[in-house]
Amino acid sequence: EVQLVESGGGLVQPGRSLKLSCVASGFTFTDYWMTWIRQAPGKGLEWVASITNTGGTTYYPDSLKGRFTISRDNAKSTLYLQMNSLRSEDTATYYCTRASTGMDYFDYWGQGVMVTVSS
Amino acid sequence: EIVLTQSPTTMAASPGEKVTLTCRASSSVSYMHWYQQKSGASPKLWIYDTSNRASGVPNRFSGSGSGTSYSLTISSMETEDAATYYCQQWSSNPWTFGGGTKLELK
Repeated sequence: EVQLVESGGGLVQPGRSLKLSCVASGFTFTDYWMTWIRQAPGKGLEWVASITNTGGTTYYPDSLKGRFTISRDNAKSTLYLQMNSLRSEDTATYYCTRASTGMDYFDYWGQGVMVTVSS
Repeated sequence: EIVLTQSPTTMAASPGEKVTLTCRASSSVSYMHWYQQKSGASPKLWIYDTSNRASGVPNRFSGSGSGTSYSLTISSMETEDAATYYCQQWSSNPWTFGGGTKLELK
């Protein structure tokens, strides 16, 4: 059974940093691209970052480039999201997802982790 | 960036009613994917590659479309289908989602 378990969320002050983790199990982690997607309270879904199966290439929307960094440790089957210079608009539930083999949709989602940016 | 516009934003359907949700893209896309999200839960892949049902999705759900216009249809609404549905594309970077359609039970 595929499982994605996020951790590391919480309340953080504006301008500070936070690092999310996602432990994957039930599949061969090194075979899949992975992606973070977020959802602000009461809002829709927003793609945050993606990383290739080897970790060699990363992708971000222009709006987040430079503040967020996605990475992975294939030996630990763990995905990370380093978030710097956090703003109130980064307040959201962050989902760890597995991209399909064609990399064009997201076939498994974690339970999500809440990040609240507030003073 | 390809913008996806879903309509309606909210709708209510009675049990047994046929339901059609629409997703329009600002430019042509090769495939459309759909997710179902119930309140307080993570989204689930529902329809992929325009017309394929994900594992466990009832066959009353179907997807269709091409180019800039796609739809998700429920042939006969059931209580458990009340949820928010999102469309999503990746014909061109970045991956984008529609704003969602909230489907309620009448």
